Formats: sequence, C-alpha cells, structure tokens
Amino acid sequence: DGGITQSPKYLFRKEGQNVTLSCEQNLNHDAMYWYRQDPGQGLRLIYYSQIVNDFQKGDIAEGYSVSREKKESFPLTVTSAQKNPTAFYLCASSRTSGADYEQYFGPGTRLTVT
Amino acid sequence: GDSVTQMEGPVTLSEEAFLTINCTYTATGYPSLFWYVQYPGEGLQLLLKATKADDKGSNKGFEATYRKETTSFHLEKGSVQVSDSAVYFCALKSGGSNYKLTFGKGTLLTVNP
Repeated sequence: DGGITQSPKYLFRKEGQNVTLSCEQNLNHDAMYWYRQDPGQGLRLIYYSQIVNDFQKGDIAEGYSVSREKKESFPLTVTSAQKNPTAFYLCASSRTSGADYEQYFGPGTRLTVT
Repeated sequence: GDSVTQMEGPVTLSEEAFLTINCTYTATGYPSLFWYVQYPGEGLQLLLKATKADDKGSNKGFEATYRKETTSFHLEKGSVQVSDSAVYFCALKSGGSNYKLTFGKGTLLTVNP
C-alpha cells in the first residue's frame, strides 16, 4: 500500500530537549511538507521541500529544522528554541507535475512537551 | 497574499439534514480549490477538488462548485450521516509552480442521530 507514515503517533518530551519527528512516503512524490495544527487555528506550514537536498521555510519555521537527504524521507526536528512546541504535527507529500498535485497526509504525531 | 475564509463552527446537525459549509478565497491568478476532511485523531483526507471556474467536485455525496465570480467554493451535502462528523478544511493552490496549499481554519461538524 502506498502512503505516508509518521512515527511515533504520540511523543512526550521534557522542555529543553530537541525531538525529531519522522515522516516517510512511498508515493514517489517530489514534494513534502510539514504542518502544525493547533485547536482553532487550522494548519500552518512549517517547512516544505520540492526536491531532494532543498527546502524552504513556511510561515512558522522558527524553532524548527528539517533535512531532505532522500526523496522518501523528510524528518522534522523541534528544537528547544520553539517556544510552544506542544501541538499536532502533520506531514504531507504531493507530486509536482501532471494533474494530480493534491497533498496526501500522514496520520500525524501528537507532541507534548512538559 | 492568498487566503481562505470558511464559516466558523461548530456546526451541529441532525442526521439527514442538509449541510452547507461556506468557503471564500482570495488568490492571484486561477487557483485550484480543495476540500479536505479530518476525522478525530487522524490526518487529512482529500474529499473533493475543482481546478477551474464552474467545475463541480463531488465525492461521497458531498459537492462543491468553483464560483469565480463570487470567489467561493461552498461545500454541500443533501443528507448528512453521523459518520460525517469531522473537521472540514477548505484549501487553495495558486497557479504556477509553487505547490503550497493555503488552508482555512477548519469547521467542526457534529451530526447527531
């Protein structure tokens, strides 16, 4: 089955620790995205990458970092500089050519920092 | 910049009622429009889409028509079910090579038996 996997589903960390969220896709999509979801605020774009070894900041990149060393993988690190890291994090991917360019989402990781 | 405004929820309906969730947008050029659905604790799933003016997207009894003159993409369903309870997001993709989506804030729908 093709799709996007995110792990773990729930993640707990102490304040001041960096934490890395995993996102893997086997859809052969070129583009990948990270969103943050908070109650009542919809989805906000953190980072996106449209090709391997290249990525761009989204609307709320401060306190986050990413890498895109492989087409299939786009891990997100939530650093200790992120002031309010507790949230639901969603990864997505899409094609960048042809007519089918809608984004496909993973199941999400709920991060709680105390 | 691009923006999407959708009606605030929560929306509570009885089973078999008619559903409308309003969505209007601001964008440059000719955007593509989407409705996504999110069930509790899950990621988003594409519900339907429309890529040009007057296109109607439809899926699972839901419909939305791309209205360029009113910059709208309202979601409708004639008879909702309890299983339709979820959060619904309207989104747009501007024309060009940028594949980012701009999302509305989401509308929570609860359908009671």
